[in-house]
Amino acid sequence: QVQLVQSGAEVRKPGASVKVSCKASGYTFPSYYIHWVRQAPGQGLEWMGRVNPSGGSTSYAQKFQGRVTMTRDTSTNTVYMELSSLRSEDTAVYYCARVNRPYSYGYGYWGQGTLVIVSS
Amino acid sequence: EIVLTQSPGTLSLSPGERATLSCRASQNVSGSYLAWYQQKPGQAPRLLIYGASSRATGIPDRFSGSESGTDFTLTISRLEPEDFAVYYCQQYDSSPPVWSFGPGTKVDIK
Repeated sequence: QVQLVQSGAEVRKPGASVKVSCKASGYTFPSYYIHWVRQAPGQGLEWMGRVNPSGGSTSYAQKFQGRVTMTRDTSTNTVYMELSSLRSEDTAVYYCARVNRPYSYGYGYWGQGTLVIVSS
Repeated sequence: EIVLTQSPGTLSLSPGERATLSCRASQNVSGSYLAWYQQKPGQAPRLLIYGASSRATGIPDRFSGSESGTDFTLTISRLEPEDFAVYYCQQYDSSPPVWSFGPGTKVDIK
């Protein structure tokens, strides 16, 4: 079965960086983009970007351009999302996600979420 | 940039009632690119509908989606106790590739 397992909670100071991992299993890793979505406390969902596990190409939401880097390691079927220059507004749960099937645009598979707290 | 607007912000209903949730796009959106999610506190979102009207695997048939131009609707025919949650619509814009979510509709118990 498809599983996306994320790394654990992180606490960072403002100005620091955080790197969250998402390990995929149960399917052919290069076949599906992995997306990152975040949710601030009590707020809605926000798309951050995606990475193609096959070639490593990325697309980022304009809001995060220059601050986010998404990478992948095909040897471990793991995708990484690194966010730099953290500020308090980046406190959120960060999710990785994958579409449910080919040619679909709905995220049928989600990681469990990683809480990132930015606080001095 | 396509903006999704969801209404109402909160819907207060009783179990057994019908729920109608609206998602309006600021520009034309292909129905193929529209999805609906349910989210409960402390959980990741759950895909209900993709391609505007296709139910995801394991989703009960009381959930249905429809489209009319730039308006998309999620209907829950008869609310069950487990359906009280927040619902989000989501769309994909291909140029450049961007996904975005609506602000959500909370369905709570009246």
